[in-house]
Amino acid sequence: NAGVMQNPRHLVRRRGQEARLRCSPMKGHSHVYWYRQLPEEGLKFMVYLQKENIIDESGMPKERFSAEFPKEGPSILRIQQVVRGDSAAYFCASSPRSGSYNEQFFGPGTRLTVL
Amino acid sequence: KNEVEQSPQNLTAQEGEFITINCSYSVGISALHWLQQHPGGGIVSLFMLSSGKKKHGRLIATINIQEKHSSLHITASHPRDSAVYICAVYHNTNAGKSTFGDGTTLTVKP
Repeated sequence: NAGVMQNPRHLVRRRGQEARLRCSPMKGHSHVYWYRQLPEEGLKFMVYLQKENIIDESGMPKERFSAEFPKEGPSILRIQQVVRGDSAAYFCASSPRSGSYNEQFFGPGTRLTVL
Repeated sequence: KNEVEQSPQNLTAQEGEFITINCSYSVGISALHWLQQHPGGGIVSLFMLSSGKKKHGRLIATINIQEKHSSLHITASHPRDSAVYICAVYHNTNAGKSTFGDGTTLTVKP
């Protein structure tokens, strides 16, 4: 049973380009969470999704950022018109269900660098 | 003030010492999660707990819901324990949302 997969592991974009980050949850997990870790800072919640639904996006920047978790395929975090301040590590986690007894398992992260 | 406060921010210990990392929170939670982040950046789940105490090998985690406080203990510390230890709380008003502490950077010297 493979763990949470994220790709790419490293992504370099120029200002103004789009970044697409992918997350494949563990088998049997239908809940996905995205987190951002800015350089020298702690992890920050971005968005929580179930299949085809965004449950909580209170941590997402209001503009340029979007996330989806389609019925088939990985969850995608999309950043349009990237700026240097978007450079960070983006982690995805998954769980079989939500709630206090459902541990989240983290992927290895995607390190985005905006030139 | 952050909703989740960790202390100390940085900790240096000699191999073999007993380590304690503290986490205090100010929101109502359904569970608390201790994570370990290695220098390469990967995140490993250590414990998820909502009451009492859990033990795994040399690691022990406790939580006091009334006092809104959790501790992570490492017995017989080893240089390979050097990492950032992160406390995260899951809000009881929203099962999916979590708030993270800023982490405690532990360095264990041989």
